[in-house]
Amino acid sequence: QSVLTQPPSASGTPGQRVTISCSGSSSNIGSNTVNWYQQLPGTAPKLLINTNTQRPSGVPDRFSGSKSGTSASLAISGLQSEDEADFYCASWDDSLNAWVFGGGTKLTVL
Amino acid sequence: QVQLQESGPGLVKPSETLSLNCTVSGDSITSYHWSWIRQPAGKGLEWIGRIYISGSTDYNPSLKSRVTISADTSKNQFSLKLSSVTAADTAVYYCARDVWEQGNDYWGPGTLVTVSS
Repeated sequence: QSVLTQPPSASGTPGQRVTISCSGSSSNIGSNTVNWYQQLPGTAPKLLINTNTQRPSGVPDRFSGSKSGTSASLAISGLQSEDEADFYCASWDDSLNAWVFGGGTKLTVL
Repeated sequence: QVQLQESGPGLVKPSETLSLNCTVSGDSITSYHWSWIRQPAGKGLEWIGRIYISGSTDYNPSLKSRVTISADTSKNQFSLKLSSVTAADTAVYYCARDVWEQGNDYWGPGTLVTVSS
């Protein structure tokens, strides 16, 4: 059971906009920023969004993040087939003194 | 360009100690914090722990009694030791640079460690 809660799956057709939610608590998302990772099949995770909304260099602006209270969301607009991957949210947890991850969301492009 | 590479045995016997190294190039390990993260096959990511610039450490409470993370600045390397392993510790182990609240921005390719007799 992951500390952060994500839907196990999401899907969309090319060109669509999809969102992935991440729910936490006051000790993690409620107190700290959220980062998002994209993991393509057979590869290491890649930092996609940091500090709630920031895109590292090279990440397309089709990807955006937001946070409100103890929840966060990742939005992907103009969905492309190469976006098919697993997505994970993460936040520091002040009670556990540890990084905590969501269980991951598998995105399928139909 | 920052690069990380995990190394160590791919097979460990139950009850023994898993030992992995992460060699960093393109950056000094005295500049940032450094994490270990693992992923069992078909499952999600689990943070194991990190070592700070100062040498102090944070560990996942669920693994704390079995984990030691250390660093060798002369080799620009940091290491993971996980004791008393069981089949449940079988996973791909990643090392990553930890940029505080900005997350883990550089990752190694990962190394599969199987616990089996």
